[in-house]
Amino acid sequence: SQTIHQWPATLVQPVGSPLSLECTVEGTSNPNLYWYRQAAGRGLQLLFYSVGIGQISSEVPQNLSASRPQDRQFILSSKKLLLSDSGFYLCAWSGPGGGRNQPQHFGDGTRLSIL
Amino acid sequence: AQSVAQPEDQVNVAEGNPLTVKCTYSVSGNPYLFWYVQYPNRGLQFLLKYITGDNLVKGSYGFEAEFNKSQTSFHLKKPSALVSDSALYFCAVRDDSNYQLIWGAGTKLIIKP
Repeated sequence: SQTIHQWPATLVQPVGSPLSLECTVEGTSNPNLYWYRQAAGRGLQLLFYSVGIGQISSEVPQNLSASRPQDRQFILSSKKLLLSDSGFYLCAWSGPGGGRNQPQHFGDGTRLSIL
Repeated sequence: AQSVAQPEDQVNVAEGNPLTVKCTYSVSGNPYLFWYVQYPNRGLQFLLKYITGDNLVKGSYGFEAEFNKSQTSFHLKKPSALVSDSALYFCAVRDDSNYQLIWGAGTKLIIKP
């Protein structure tokens, strides 16, 4: 069966520090991968998605970037964190090929607090 | 443009009563509809989906959803609510032209003993 791992679960970082959040998927090949941010426990904002290694699409211009160095690894990064980067970051995967009837499956998220 | 509306910010239901969480959508092509549940400090869990066929879709934890094309709705239902159903519920949609999901704002469901 497929599983998705995100770490760390919680992170407290000072303003201006770098960031690296990692997400890995097991049990599937060539998944579509997604990074979301959820603010104030409500709406989801799609940040990045990837349909393959090295292929990243950005939905919202901001202080963050994403990379996909391996088929089942998705990394969210920042060179200098801002206070506004605080939030709950969720990684998700769906089946390959952009199958529109396929749901996305989520990791347990990273709660990021910027001080 | 695609959109999803969850008109209720919060729904309160007594334990044992039926529950409904509302969702309406707007897409240009055939809709693919999804419901997810989120417990505190956890990721979203997939509950059920409508792709085609029977308008009543059954999912996890006793939930079901009814697709209504004329009303462009996909309401989530459960015949008898449990306290453990208390959580945040999200509706999402995509259509033929886009594999990305459009998300509703979420509805907080509170089940009171």
